[in-house]
Amino acid sequence: EVQLVESGGGLVQPGGSLRLSCICAASGFTFSNYWMSWVRQTPVKGLEWVGQIGEDGSEKFYVDSVKGRFTISRDNAKNSLFLQMNGLRAEDTAVYYCVRDGGSDAGRASFDIWGQGTKVTVSS
Amino acid sequence: DVVMTQSPLSLPVTLGQPASISCRSSQSLVYSDGNTYLTWFQQRPGQSPRRLLYKVSDRDSGVPDRFSGSGSGTDFTLKISRVEAEDVGIYYCMQGVHGPYTFGRGTKLEIK
Repeated sequence: EVQLVESGGGLVQPGGSLRLSCICAASGFTFSNYWMSWVRQTPVKGLEWVGQIGEDGSEKFYVDSVKGRFTISRDNAKNSLFLQMNGLRAEDTAVYYCVRDGGSDAGRASFDIWGQGTKVTVSS
Repeated sequence: DVVMTQSPLSLPVTLGQPASISCRSSQSLVYSDGNTYLTWFQQRPGQSPRRLLYKVSDRDSGVPDRFSGSGSGTDFTLKISRVEAEDVGIYYCMQGVHGPYTFGRGTKLEIK
């Protein structure tokens, strides 16, 4: 069974930084064979795709609202995914999910495995 | 960005009755590989989203066969043949063709 476990959420002041982590615990799942995405959810806006990273970390794409502020990275040796969030704003307040995206045996934009989410609150 | 429009936003259903949710995209969801990357998710209260159907109609392992998906191009439908109590939650569609990937606003299914 594949499990994604996020951590690192919390309360941060506007303009501050936070780094989210996601560890993939699985048997029979090669983390480095998959694109990974971050998705966030708020009661008002619902689900919003934040960005994604390719299998080897060389390709990254982001939604416009976070470009230049958020950076996705990964450490395949440690089956880990990260989201560095700088210049945080109140509108970044959300539950952030780590999601298995696509891969050669999963297809494009698979989104078949989700973590439990970690809550980020941006407030003074 | 591709806009995903779901309807209805609220869906009260009697147990054992069918339910249907519409999802329309502002652009075609046919990718260059010939596949249509339209996915349906279910989010039960207090849980993370769970994928139900991939590429319009491919049902995930463990998903009851009362869930089915159909559609093409820009017009898609999720159908539940007979609603059960465990189906309560919010249903989302998502497109995985055009960047950024986008979701519908969700349809809240409740039992009448």
